[in-house]
Amino acid sequence: LAKTTQPISMDSYEGQEVNITCSHNNIATNDYITWYQQFPSQGPRFIIQGYKTKVTNEVASLFIPADRKSSTLSLPRVSLSDTAVYYCLVGEQMEYGNKLVFGAGTILRVKS
Amino acid sequence: DAGVTQSPTHLIKTRGQQVTLRCSPKSGHDTVSWYQQALGQGPQFIFQYYEEEERQRGNFPDRFSGHQFPNYSSELNVNALLLGDSALYLCASSFENNEKLFFGSGTQLSVL
Repeated sequence: LAKTTQPISMDSYEGQEVNITCSHNNIATNDYITWYQQFPSQGPRFIIQGYKTKVTNEVASLFIPADRKSSTLSLPRVSLSDTAVYYCLVGEQMEYGNKLVFGAGTILRVKS
Repeated sequence: DAGVTQSPTHLIKTRGQQVTLRCSPKSGHDTVSWYQQALGQGPQFIFQYYEEEERQRGNFPDRFSGHQFPNYSSELNVNALLLGDSALYLCASSFENNEKLFFGSGTQLSVL
């Protein structure tokens, strides 16, 4: 089981770019890296997923080095509404379906 | 298109009682996973249902059981409630082995 390690919290200001790095030293060959965002009293929301190199969507970018032992979620020009908990997950690939294991996540606080 | 819906949103029980939580997956999804999220922690995987059978299970006692119906909706049952069962219970749906989970807003269970 690939365990993930993230910073407990980060502070930023509106308009800045935020980079949250996640370590997953024991990632398996078939595992994907997925990031979720969670606001208080809501369920987590899928942000982005990748396997290697770089993935970009309308919300964020995900950078994954060649050894895949870490990944970095990049949020461009954050706003106050980006204040949330961000989870890095490595999917445990099973024969039938996947069991995603959440860590404690990173609390991002965006200030004005 | 409705997303994942859970009911009830809040529930108060006393120790020793039994509780049933309900989940309707996102349209087109056939897999339902349940997570328990204690305050300040990440969601913890309870189990996953596919084709009306429990496919994967996390480290939870047998007091936690579930069911999936032919229409893919699901129930989570917890017997002999303990104070420590107080948490946000999240349901997530997906399509087959897709790792992209869609979460509901959860049921907040308080055990007194």
